[in-house]
Amino acid sequence: AQSVTQPDIHITVSEGASLELRCNYSYGATPYLFWYVQSPGQGLQLLLKYFSGDTLVQGIKGFEAEFKRSQSSFNLRKPSVHWSDAAEYFCAVGAADTGKLIFGQGTTLQVKP
Amino acid sequence: GAVVSQHPSRVICKSGTSVKIECRSLDFQATTMFWYRQFPKQSLMLMATSNEGSKATYEQGVEKDKFLINHASLTLSTLTVTSAHPEDSSFYICSARDPKGYNSPLHFGNGTRLTVT
Repeated sequence: AQSVTQPDIHITVSEGASLELRCNYSYGATPYLFWYVQSPGQGLQLLLKYFSGDTLVQGIKGFEAEFKRSQSSFNLRKPSVHWSDAAEYFCAVGAADTGKLIFGQGTTLQVKP
Repeated sequence: GAVVSQHPSRVICKSGTSVKIECRSLDFQATTMFWYRQFPKQSLMLMATSNEGSKATYEQGVEKDKFLINHASLTLSTLTVTSAHPEDSSFYICSARDPKGYNSPLHFGNGTRLTVT
């Protein structure tokens, strides 16, 4: 079955500290992977995506993610977190040609001053 | 860049009434749009795929007679929650993909917060 798991429901980091949000997936075909961010009451903004090629993907706002096929993972990282990064983060997997996505449960990021 | 507009952003309605939510692609034509539902503190669940000029495709467990989807043009899809009940209160988000962009990502609307009293 196709699924996405974000093991961490809630993460708190200090401003300026590094961040890693975990994402594991189960998908029958070659996965297309996405990370989205959602501020309270808002829609989703795409941070980055992986389709093929270089397994280290750079995104907006200083985020990056690494696709590791052997581990079925697509973890999101940021070297130095800013207070404005506090939000809900969703990992998603799907078929880019159809647009249907399966979302993980989400990880709430809290940033301490 | 491509933008998807969703309206209204918030709506409160009484139990038993119907509510229509609009999803528009502003600068591209979307033959396919998607409707998601998000309960508080939970993830997004795909409800249905809206296809321009044809019937929507609903995910398992989604009542098609309750959640009516119309995709009458290449830039507009509507979701109508019929005979709404308090359990229908949720955050509804639409998305669309610009078909001209190979491997282009989905563009999401800002969502509609529906509260049924």
